[in-house]
Amino acid sequence: DVKVTQSSRYLVKRTGEKVFLECVQDMDHENMFWYRQDPGLGLRLIYFSYDVKMKEKGDIPEGYSVSREKKERFSLILESASTNQTSMYLCASSSPPESTDTQYFGPGTRLTVL
Amino acid sequence: QKEVEQDPGPLSVPEGAIVSLNCTYSNSAFQYFMWYRQYSRKGPELLMYTYSSGNKEDGRFTAQVDKSSKYISLFIRDSQPSDSATYLCAMSLMNTGFQKLVFGTGTRLLVSP
Repeated sequence: DVKVTQSSRYLVKRTGEKVFLECVQDMDHENMFWYRQDPGLGLRLIYFSYDVKMKEKGDIPEGYSVSREKKERFSLILESASTNQTSMYLCASSSPPESTDTQYFGPGTRLTVL
Repeated sequence: QKEVEQDPGPLSVPEGAIVSLNCTYSNSAFQYFMWYRQYSRKGPELLMYTYSSGNKEDGRFTAQVDKSSKYISLFIRDSQPSDSATYLCAMSLMNTGFQKLVFGTGTRLLVSP
């Protein structure tokens, strides 16, 4: 079974803090993704990575950065957290396009910024 | 207009009912279609995956794609209370290297005993 784990299920931070969200997958997947999920807006892609040290902006990258130093690990960084970044953050991974092309999700981190 | 439209629900049905969940989309280039199930406070899990048009069946679940109408459906037969969850449709383009998925906003399903 594919396993995608996220470092925290719930996180509470203060405005202006630097926040790190960690994601680890154990299936040797090339592609990894960070989404945020908000009521009425669905899942929106923040950043994705198709290889170590490679990253691409998604639809809403403003206020976020990412790091992928190892294949299995993909970190999302909020440089200076703001209240509008309160959300559910979901990490996902997938295998290359010639495979099933599906994404497998972690359990999510519910971040509250006060 | 959103690329993928999905009725948010909630859709309430009695146990044993046949459930029909639907999404419409605007981009005719979409080739891969997926349904995810998400329980409250959990991450989405893949339920069904289809490529291009046609039907796919897996147990009580049937996924249907009508590319001419830009419409996809998920049918659940003999629905159970454990099927109560939010169902997300997702789709992607052919020939993309990174499988950027476009999601619907999800339909919340409630199956009462």
